[in-house]
Amino acid sequence: EAGVAQSPRYKIIEKRQSVAFWCNPISGHATLYWYQQILGQGPKLLIQFQNNGVVDDSQLPKDRFSAERLKGVDSTLKIQPAKLEDSAVYLCASSRSGTSTDTQYFGPGTRLTVL
Amino acid sequence: TQLLEQSPQFLSIQEGENLTVYCNSSSVFSSLQWYRQEPGEGPVLLVTVVTGGEVKKLKRLTFQFGDARKDSSLHITAAQPGDTGLYLCAGTRPPDSWGKLQFGAGTQVVVTP
Repeated sequence: EAGVAQSPRYKIIEKRQSVAFWCNPISGHATLYWYQQILGQGPKLLIQFQNNGVVDDSQLPKDRFSAERLKGVDSTLKIQPAKLEDSAVYLCASSRSGTSTDTQYFGPGTRLTVL
Repeated sequence: TQLLEQSPQFLSIQEGENLTVYCNSSSVFSSLQWYRQEPGEGPVLLVTVVTGGEVKKLKRLTFQFGDARKDSSLHITAAQPGDTGLYLCAGTRPPDSWGKLQFGAGTQVVVTP
């Protein structure tokens, strides 16, 4: 079974530029998550999709971050415009049903550096 | 402020030694998970505990969920270099039923040969 795929793996941009990350979850998984992991911290949930609907986006900075999951499969996360404090690893995860004891499978992440 | 506090932040030990990592909170959790993350990779789930007082063993790893479901520990017996990694605890709080995980900051474990 293929794992969660993410691209690109690394991205370097200047502040005020825009950037987009792509995630392909495990086939058949209804729930998709985007996390932000700042160096020295644990992952922080940005947004959770159930199929193509948003379940939780309470910690997504909506003035600059946006995410979509068209057709309930792939997802993209966009930052526009980027700030220095957005430098982090962006992790995508998926799970079969999204319940509290369901296993979340993480992708390798995209490391973003904002200069 | 992290809802889950992990200690210690960093642990360096020799191969063959034992170690314990702690995860504490003032809040009750419905379930608690432990992950290991290696450089350049995403976290990988090790175990999920859901019942207060529960103890789970995975080879040389022993996980315990506190009776009040506010804390957990991970104990590794006879550590090996392959145990090196960032250990993260994460929990879901009631009444959340959508599996929203709150992560601790992690404990970096280094096991030297």
